[in-house]
Amino acid sequence: QQQVKQSPQSLIVQKGGISIINCAYENTAFDYFPWYQQFPGKGPALLIAIRPDVSEKKEGRFTISFNKSAKQFSLHIMDSQPGDSATYFCAASKETGANNLFFGTGTRLTVIP
Amino acid sequence: DAGVIQSPRHEVTEMGQEVTLRCKPISGHNSLFWYRQTMMRGLELLIYFNNNVPIDDSGMPEDRFSAKMPNASFSTLKIQPSEPRDSAVYFCASRTRQGNYNEQFFGPGTRLTVL
Repeated sequence: QQQVKQSPQSLIVQKGGISIINCAYENTAFDYFPWYQQFPGKGPALLIAIRPDVSEKKEGRFTISFNKSAKQFSLHIMDSQPGDSATYFCAASKETGANNLFFGTGTRLTVIP
Repeated sequence: DAGVIQSPRHEVTEMGQEVTLRCKPISGHNSLFWYRQTMMRGLELLIYFNNNVPIDDSGMPEDRFSAKMPNASFSTLKIQPSEPRDSAVYFCASRTRQGNYNEQFFGPGTRLTVL
């Protein structure tokens, strides 16, 4: 059973546009929601993360929006650039106890010039 | 900082052969994770260790897969015998209990092809 569901599977955006990737989770015990970025031939790397005590977190052009009641969170990339082309994974975990990450299936983002 | 080191980077083998993947976590990290990545299933957690002790191996596909962590600086994932459906990229990641202890640092992966 997929603990975290992610969409879309792939996304093509024009340079300067907004990229939006959505995720939903089932386990209400999750309290840590990171996004990982993966370039071809590399391992995933932490991009940005949020905890459920806030509804939004922004770091540069990257913003996470979090809706606790809907059990959904999303990544927004403003002013998308060709260098943002990568695969993005959302994930969720508990911060204490058995806190391994459950990953979504990934979104391949292509930003065209 | 060398990051997480994995070897080999690429492995091509024939069905039925034994495959051993190796991982050196970041020094001082006390948790280690093995993942498998495929197009169909994305990133799947196979097993993870805390302080060299296996905590959850429920993601290990079957008895053909085994993982060990004999010390804090080395882990292996072994597949015996290998099958074509094991072809995937295998990642190792490590984590520390200090700072943002939820952040996992991934290695570059091992691309395994079983013919």
